Amino acid sequence: DIQMTQSPSSVSASVGDRVTITCRTSQGISIWLAWYQQKPGKAPKLLIYGASSLQSGVPSRFSGSGSGTEFTLTISSLQPEDFATYYCQQANSFPPKFGQGTRLEIK
Amino acid sequence: EVQLVESGGGLVKPGGSLRLSCAASGFTFSDAWMSWVRQAPGKGLEWVGRIKSKTDGGTTDCAAPVKGRFTISRDDSKNTLYLQMNSLKTEDTAVYYCTTDLALIGDAFDVWGQGTVVTVSS
Repeated sequence: DIQMTQSPSSVSASVGDRVTITCRTSQGISIWLAWYQQKPGKAPKLLIYGASSLQSGVPSRFSGSGSGTEFTLTISSLQPEDFATYYCQQANSFPPKFGQGTRLEIK
Repeated sequence: EVQLVESGGGLVKPGGSLRLSCAASGFTFSDAWMSWVRQAPGKGLEWVGRIKSKTDGGTTDCAAPVKGRFTISRDDSKNTLYLQMNSLKTEDTAVYYCTTDLALIGDAFDVWGQGTVVTVSS
């Protein structure tokens, strides 16, 4: 199975800040990586698929990049509603695997 | 409106059984590959298993921690996905979500239910 390593595990930031979260995989997965946002008590929400494709309805301040084994999710200017936990997920090989999550907190 | 609604969660003793359901609406359920994902309290997301559409063989796959104990099935006439959970352990305590890659965007899950809570405790 592919192993996922997300960093940092938590980050504190302020409204308006630029934040980057990294996801590394133990094997190359081409561009088959997705990013999700999860708020407390809610189901995950797909933000990015195919490493850099923005899901419909997701604000353009969210962007994804990377290929192979290293990927990033960037939020260009944090808004109050962005404080949540973010997960990456590899979609290249079976079984699908999620990263351990990054908790984005208000500074 | 595309919707997934889980039900069937509850409190069960270790060694017991429970069947979860996921009612789908707003899309052609019979064409969809459906998955279950769970989240233990305070923990991350864990993929549990998947069932393909009958057109694609209808086969199932489950993650190692649940293989041999959990069974996934579907009733396309009722637009419903099931997760039969047997020999439950305390570590199976979690919120269970049904989900799918509806837009066929390469195994990224774009539709999720609200989740149903399973608690395994004596």
